[in-house]
Amino acid sequence: KQEVTQIPAALSVPEGENLVLNCSFTDSAIYNLQWFRQDPGKGLTSLLLIQSSQREQTSGRLNASLDKSSGRSTLYIAASQPGDSATYLCAAAGGGNKLTFGTGTQLKVEL
Amino acid sequence: GAGVSQSPSNKVTEKGKDVELRCDPISGHTALYWYRQRLGQGLEFLIYFQGNSAPDKSGLPSDRFSAERTGESVSTLTIQRTQQEDSAVYLCASSLVGSFGPNQPQHFGDGTRLSIL
Repeated sequence: KQEVTQIPAALSVPEGENLVLNCSFTDSAIYNLQWFRQDPGKGLTSLLLIQSSQREQTSGRLNASLDKSSGRSTLYIAASQPGDSATYLCAAAGGGNKLTFGTGTQLKVEL
Repeated sequence: GAGVSQSPSNKVTEKGKDVELRCDPISGHTALYWYRQRLGQGLEFLIYFQGNSAPDKSGLPSDRFSAERTGESVSTLTIQRTQQEDSAVYLCASSLVGSFGPNQPQHFGDGTRLSIL
């Protein structure tokens, strides 16, 4: 059974700082690894999807890497802004694109 | 709008009552997923539809939970004889899968917040 873990559970940083969120998964037989953002009272917004054959994906200030062999993914956020404050979730996709989620990292970017 | 729509956004009901939650996926999305997010816990997979059939129901927690999808569009998640532990946010997502392959992002609705008194 796939298990996904995210570290840290919560993070508070000053505006402008670069930061890294970590995700680990136990079963390397995945189709892809997805990163989402969740704002309070809202659903999830897809940020990046890394296919199992890829090593990284970039979108604006976000960069996500994937190391299947070690069961790890990282989300790098450059030059953080207060608007980046949210909970960040990673999810490993198995058969049928069924996602197994981590419990998330709650990020707060302070002015 | 063009996103995934869920209704109601909030539902409060008494223990023992039945509830129905609705999901309208993005038009043309063949795959539809239901997840549950209980307070302080991660999202749990409930059920997955490809078209109108459900090849994976492994996440449904008990036989009080059921779901159906019609017209390769709207899906309804039904919880019978609700219990307090059913209180959670129920999220629906849709994606292009099938002939497009498995690597399609899932698009989520804002969820239904269910509270059982």
